Amino acid sequence: DQQVKQNSPSLSVQEGRISILNCDYTNSMFDYFLWYKKYPAEGPTFLISISSIKDKNEDGRFTVFLNKSAKHLSLHIVPSQPGDSAVYFCAASRSDTGNQFYFGTGTSLTVIP
Amino acid sequence: EAGVAQSPRYKIIEKRQSVAFWCNPISGHATLYWYQQILGQGPKLLIQFQNNGVVDDSQLPKDRFSAERLKGVDSTLKIQPAKLEDSAVYLCASSLRGVHSNEQFFGPGTRLTVL
Repeated sequence: DQQVKQNSPSLSVQEGRISILNCDYTNSMFDYFLWYKKYPAEGPTFLISISSIKDKNEDGRFTVFLNKSAKHLSLHIVPSQPGDSAVYFCAASRSDTGNQFYFGTGTSLTVIP
Repeated sequence: EAGVAQSPRYKIIEKRQSVAFWCNPISGHATLYWYQQILGQGPKLLIQFQNNGVVDDSQLPKDRFSAERLKGVDSTLKIQPAKLEDSAVYLCASSLRGVHSNEQFFGPGTRLTVL
């Protein structure tokens, strides 16, 4: 049972434009959400996170939005750069079950120069 | 600061053979995780250690998979015997402590191909 879903396997964006990556979850007990970025032949690296007590968190070019009522979060990258081309994974966890992350299937972002 | 180290990076075996993967976490990290990432899917947690004790192994296929973390540092994950569906990337991650946060640091993974 996939509790975290990323319905877009791929996304292409022109350099300088906004990239929006989406993620949906089914478990209302999730209270912490993260985005990880993965380059080929490397492990995922942490990008940005958000707690369920917030609806927005910003870090430079990256902003994550959380809509708890819709069980939806999104990652905005503005402006997009060619170096942002990677696979982005959404992950969720719940504080009552330790630190287990449930990952989505990933979205492959290509930023076209 | 050195990252999470894993070896080997690649392994090809035939079904029914055995294989072992090694992970060295970031120094001082108490929590260690093994994930399985099948092509086209996100990483799935197999087992979580806190020091040398198992916190969660509910998704570990215990009839063929085993893992240990002796002395609370390095860890090994073993598959015996391997099946075709075990072909995946096996990721090791570590964190300072087990509370939920952004603290999981991943190694480069071991790509296993079972023929």
